[in-house]
Amino acid sequence: GNSVTQMEGPVTLSEEAFLTINCTYTATGYPSLFWYVQYPGEGLQLLLKATKADDKGSNKGFEATYRKETTSFHLEKGSVQVSDSAVYFCALSGGGSGNQGGKLIFGQGTELSVKP
Amino acid sequence: DAGVTQSPTHLIKTRGQQVTLRCSPKSGHDTVSWYQQALGQGPQFIFQYYEEEERQRGNFPDRFSGHQFPNYSSELNVNALLLGDSALYLCASSLDGQGAYSPLHFGNGTRLTVT
Repeated sequence: GNSVTQMEGPVTLSEEAFLTINCTYTATGYPSLFWYVQYPGEGLQLLLKATKADDKGSNKGFEATYRKETTSFHLEKGSVQVSDSAVYFCALSGGGSGNQGGKLIFGQGTELSVKP
Repeated sequence: DAGVTQSPTHLIKTRGQQVTLRCSPKSGHDTVSWYQQALGQGPQFIFQYYEEEERQRGNFPDRFSGHQFPNYSSELNVNALLLGDSALYLCASSLDGQGAYSPLHFGNGTRLTVT
């Protein structure tokens, strides 16, 4: 079945460091890929998405490119801030026929802590 | 513009009891999905409601049931609670018709503790 694997955390970085959080997936067909972020005490917020191979999703300085050849969707940011401290989830949707949306398969999450 | 709201925020129940969690979707959304997030894990899909019917279901037992009302709000019911049901329950809303591309809007969740 479909699955998502993320690099384990926690990840601790200094402010202005470069961030990479690895995400690989297994899916049939052509899934849509997402990164969600969860701040302490809050629900998940969509950070970015990509719906087809070679698409690049971007938002708030974060980027991720849908790589079908390596089944990956790694999250990157060139210069992290303390306010980026949160848990990041990679997720996929679809990949098969008849998907009506709303059914996401999530990775286990990667906790990011950014120190001043 | 109100986002997804869930109630209550926290709940403590005893093993064997039943619980009902509530969700109001974001304005303009007609589809509600429920997720269970165990501590330190990613959310797992429970089921989705559209047009007052369960449309998709994840790998959860029949003890988990739901309902959607004409105003699109939804309830999640869990019967015969087990200790393993302790988790954060997230409600997410979306607009039907966007297929697998539709981004979900999540509420802040209900933290259920079963003792």
